[in-house]
Amino acid sequence: AQSVAQPEDQVNVAEGNPLTVKCTYSVSGNPYLFWYVQYPNRGLQFLLKYITGDNLVKGSYGFEAEFNKSQTSFHLKKPSALVSDSALYFCAVRDSADRGSTLGRLYFGRGTQLTVWP
Amino acid sequence: NAGVTQTPKFQVLKTGQSMTLQCAQDMNHEYMSWYRQDPGMGLRLIHYSVGAGITDQGEVPNGYNVSRSTTEDFPLRLLSAAPSQTSVYFCASSYSSPGSSNQPQHFGDGTRLSIL
Repeated sequence: AQSVAQPEDQVNVAEGNPLTVKCTYSVSGNPYLFWYVQYPNRGLQFLLKYITGDNLVKGSYGFEAEFNKSQTSFHLKKPSALVSDSALYFCAVRDSADRGSTLGRLYFGRGTQLTVWP
Repeated sequence: NAGVTQTPKFQVLKTGQSMTLQCAQDMNHEYMSWYRQDPGMGLRLIHYSVGAGITDQGEVPNGYNVSRSTTEDFPLRLLSAAPSQTSVYFCASSYSSPGSSNQPQHFGDGTRLSIL
């Protein structure tokens, strides 16, 4: 079964400090991994994804994520947090081996609320 | 460029009523999906479609119907609303299934539905 865990419901950091939002996953094959951000009363916006290649993936708004196969993790990071980064962040996974009836399903974590204080 | 448009933005229903949540996209995307978002549970897939005339069930399909008569539209129908269906509903579209191309899913701004 495919699943995603975001172990922290909330992350609080000071502006200018580095931030990390954690994500671990479970799939039977190779993972496709995604990070999305949600601002209040809005839909999800794509930040970045890992399909294959370099373990360090760079995305929008200065965010990056590191894929670690041995730890089955895909943590989201940013070197210097901004107050405007405060939002709800979702990690999602898809099994690259998906076929047939499960084709295209993304499995989302429960979300992590990031608060950056001035 | 409107992207993914959901209507209505808010709706209050009584138990047993039926309604249709509308979703339209203008990007000629083949893949569309419906999710519900509940506090502490993230997003759960209700139904999805890989093209006009083709739909399939997601994780939580009970109580919902979908159809895909055109590429642009993917309405979600609640047959007999129940309080457990109180949630925020998101429609999403992409060129193909998530992860199979370099184009990500695009989400609408959601419909906030309350069932009394």
